[in-house]
Amino acid sequence: DQQVKQNSPSLSVQEGRISILNCDYTNSMFDYFLWYKKYPAEGPTFLISISSIKDKNEDGRFTVFLNKSAKHLSLHIVPSQPGDSAVYFCAAAGGTSYGKLTFGQGTILTVHP
Amino acid sequence: GAVVSQHPSRVICKSGTSVKIECRSLDFQATTMFWYRQFPKQSLMLMATSNEGSKATYEQGVEKDKFLINHASLTLSTLTVTSAHPEDSSFYICSGGASEYEQYFGPGTRLTVT
Repeated sequence: DQQVKQNSPSLSVQEGRISILNCDYTNSMFDYFLWYKKYPAEGPTFLISISSIKDKNEDGRFTVFLNKSAKHLSLHIVPSQPGDSAVYFCAAAGGTSYGKLTFGQGTILTVHP
Repeated sequence: GAVVSQHPSRVICKSGTSVKIECRSLDFQATTMFWYRQFPKQSLMLMATSNEGSKATYEQGVEKDKFLINHASLTLSTLTVTSAHPEDSSFYICSGGASEYEQYFGPGTRLTVT
C-alpha cells in the first residue's frame, strides 16, 4: 500500500524554466510534508517542508504547495538549473510517529543547459 | 543542518557472514534514529526505528533477527545484517533528528553480498 505516490518517474526541463514535481498521499493522518533531493550513492538532503496548517511555503527558488482537500503537494523550482538534476523524493509524517517518514518513489529531474 | 555520519560507506561481504553498519549523530543527540533501505530505482523504505536504551521497533515484513539494531548511546545506532545473503544487497541509510520531523540523513552504506 503506497501511501505516498510520485506518479512521474522522470521529468526533463530546460535550464531557466520551471520544474514542477508532484506528490499525492492517501493517509489523512499525515500533517507534515518534506521534499528531499538525492544524488546516487548519497543520503537524501532536505530541501523544504510544509505543515498542514499552511498551503504554501517558499524558500529561494523552491516553493512547495499543499492542497489538503486533494491530498496533493507539489514542488516548484524556478528557475531550474543544471545543478538541480537529481532524484527528488517527497515524504510525509504525521500522527504519533515521531520523525517517521513515508517516502514516495522519487522523480528523476534532469535540467538541460 | 545537523550532521549524521555512516560507516562504512561501502562494504562487500561473502554470503553467510555478518556486517555491522554504524550511524552517528555528530552534533546532536538522538534518542530516536531510523534505518531505511533503498533498492535500485525504488523509494526509501523504513526498516526500523532505533530507540536509545530500548528495543528497536521493526516495520512489518522486516526480520528483527536478521537486522539487529543497537542504540547504546545518544549518538550511535548500529545495524547488523546477520547471515547476509545476496538479496540483502542494498543501500542502507540512517537518519536522526534533534526534534520532531527534523530528520537528517547519513550518506548511506552500499552493501554488496557475494
